[in-house]
Amino acid sequence: GQQLNQSPQSMFIQEGEDVSMNCTSSSIFNTWLWYKQDPGEGPVLLIALYKAGELTSNGRLTAQFGITRKDSFLNISASIPSDVGIYFCAGSREGAQKLVFGQGTRLTINP
Amino acid sequence: KAGVTQTPRYLIKTRGQQVTLSCSPISGHRSVSWYQQTPGQGLQFLFEYFSETQRNKGNFPGRFSGRQFSNSRSEMNVSTLELGDSALYLCASTRGGRPGWETQYFGPGTRLLVL
Repeated sequence: GQQLNQSPQSMFIQEGEDVSMNCTSSSIFNTWLWYKQDPGEGPVLLIALYKAGELTSNGRLTAQFGITRKDSFLNISASIPSDVGIYFCAGSREGAQKLVFGQGTRLTINP
Repeated sequence: KAGVTQTPRYLIKTRGQQVTLSCSPISGHRSVSWYQQTPGQGLQFLFEYFSETQRNKGNFPGRFSGRQFSNSRSEMNVSTLELGDSALYLCASTRGGRPGWETQYFGPGTRLLVL
């Protein structure tokens, strides 16, 4: 099925570093969502974006809805060990009634 | 308020068998969606139920089916299991709006292994 192009696939960083990941699509999206999934658990919603250009923060996390409506990015500042996990972007296209997901970015933090 | 619950959490089946997974949405939520998550394909949408009716469907074969009860609890069934059906099956609920338009809450998933 259709999926979003999410990059990078994995990241290995030092504690305290900033992190940036992004998602792109060939289609225009009306909604962009960012989720985090811990091992053995379901995804948990981090940030939801509903308007082109929208920039939203949730603590150390910041996400933006691209102006072209075909991309979104997520930044994590000053990473800490509990940020480890898999981050997924998801979106819904105009007129569509379901979410499509990116392949995920696996974040590993070296203490 | 309790979150989305799924049972069982783990399941081992053999090829050709069938399996039924259960999902209880957050209290007051009426929409339940099912997803299949595999390392190769990522998160793939199976179907969504609202008010006991299938409202949307992904691109999975007819071996995958579901239903929703009047209390909004949902079950999904996979018949004639294949090795490739091994996956984490996730359920998610919303109050009633479509996923993407309203915040969707995921359960912990049922991990199915087909031998």
